[in-house]
Amino acid sequence: GAVVSQHPSRVICKSGTSVKIECRSLDFQATTMFWYRQFPKKSLMLMATSNEGSKATYEQGVEKDKFLINHASLTLSTLTVTSAHPEDSSFYICSARVSPDPGGGEQYFGPGTRLTVT
Amino acid sequence: GEDVEQSLFLSVREGDSSVINCTYTDSSSTYLYWYKQEPGAGLQLLTYIFSNMDMKQDQRLTVLLNKKDKHLSLRIADTQTGDSAIYFCAERLNKLIFGTGTRLQVFP
Repeated sequence: GAVVSQHPSRVICKSGTSVKIECRSLDFQATTMFWYRQFPKKSLMLMATSNEGSKATYEQGVEKDKFLINHASLTLSTLTVTSAHPEDSSFYICSARVSPDPGGGEQYFGPGTRLTVT
Repeated sequence: GEDVEQSLFLSVREGDSSVINCTYTDSSSTYLYWYKQEPGAGLQLLTYIFSNMDMKQDQRLTVLLNKKDKHLSLRIADTQTGDSAIYFCAERLNKLIFGTGTRLQVFP
């Protein structure tokens, strides 16, 4: 149980275009989902927290107009990187928290999406 | 403040025990977690411990928590080559704060 999928796993796009990444909780409901960015050989940086049916909460320094997050259902959140530039190239990982919380506040992570902007 | 530190690298022989250490600075953490990341993949939740516990054992994994010293460790017994990965500790405050990650390399 507690599987989170991401699609696509890898995407290459041209500078200036937009890319949408999907995150799905496959066998549980997730009121809250999270989007992280990971640079090579680095830890995860939280970008935003996505709550079903409401606006996402962005971390300081993350441009909300550039990284659009939509959490339309209890099993799906999307991250759209708008007008992508080479510096947006990174590994994007989503995570979902089980709802209702069984007690440990566990977050389950997707396999990640490698974005390369040329 | 929010600061979680880990040593960068650990190398062990197959069959030996591995101990991965983590220090954190915020004593108000409710839960602490250990995640495993294999190359090119997301994070796999290995185990977690509630902040009022000292130890938790789950098969080959043993988590020790020293709240006084703000020190968390993960011991992997009988380490196998499949355990080679990056291990992240994380503390839960109002969000997960991840450590810097420890790359575990297991050699025959």
